[in-house]
Amino acid sequence: GAGVSQTPSNKVTEKGKYVELRCDPISGHTALYWYRQSLGQGPEFLIYFQGTGAADDSGLPNDRFFAVRPEGSVSTLKIQRTERGDSAVYLCASSTGLAGERDTQYFGPGTRLTVL
Amino acid sequence: SQQGEEDPQALSIQEGENATMNCSYKTSINNLQWYRQNSGRGLVHLILIRSNEREKHSGRLRVTLDTSKKSSSLLITASRAADTASYFCAGAKAAGNKLTFGGGTRVLVKP
Repeated sequence: GAGVSQTPSNKVTEKGKYVELRCDPISGHTALYWYRQSLGQGPEFLIYFQGTGAADDSGLPNDRFFAVRPEGSVSTLKIQRTERGDSAVYLCASSTGLAGERDTQYFGPGTRLTVL
Repeated sequence: SQQGEEDPQALSIQEGENATMNCSYKTSINNLQWYRQNSGRGLVHLILIRSNEREKHSGRLRVTLDTSKKSSSLLITASRAADTASYFCAGAKAAGNKLTFGGGTRVLVKP
C-alpha cells in the first residue's frame, strides 16, 4: 500500500514568510509524528498526534510553529515568520496505534525547507 | 536535544566485511529502534528491540541492548554496497511515544 507522503518535497521561502507543510499518513494510522532534521544531525521531535489531538507538543521550538490534524488523518505543520534557522528537512511519520505494533514509525520522504 | 551518541560517527569498510556501530542513550527506554537513511531524506525502520530483550536478529542485522550500560549495538554482517547509508538509533520512553534519535553513523561500503 501507499506509504507516508509529504508535500511539497522542497520549499524555498524568504525570511519572514509563512509556510505550510503537509503530511498524508498511511491510511488507518492513528498516530502521526513530526520531526525536523538539520544537516548532519539526527531527527528531532516536534509534535505527536493521537487522532485529532496533539498528545505531545513539547518539541515545538516556539510559538511560530503550529500543527493541526483536524480530521485525524492529514496533518499540516505551519511556520509563521520564518527564520533562516528554520531551514531543515521536516519529516513526518505515522504508526498504527495498535498494541504491539504502534512502536514502529513509518517515515515519509520529508520536505526540505530553505529560508533565504 | 539528542538522546545520545553514536559511535563511530563514520565507518568505511569493504564489501563483505561486517559493520558494527554503537549507540548510547541517557534516559530509561521502553524500546530502542534502528533506522537507515539514504541521501538525507526518509528513514527506513530496520529493527526494534524492547527493554526486556538483550539480542535480536533480522536477516543480516543483529542488535544488542544493555540497559545497565544504556547502550545498544547494530551489526551488519556481510555488508554490501547497497548498505551505504546513515544509521540512526532512536529510543522511546513508552510504547508509541516520540522517538529520540542519536546523531547517526555514516557507513560507506566500498565495492
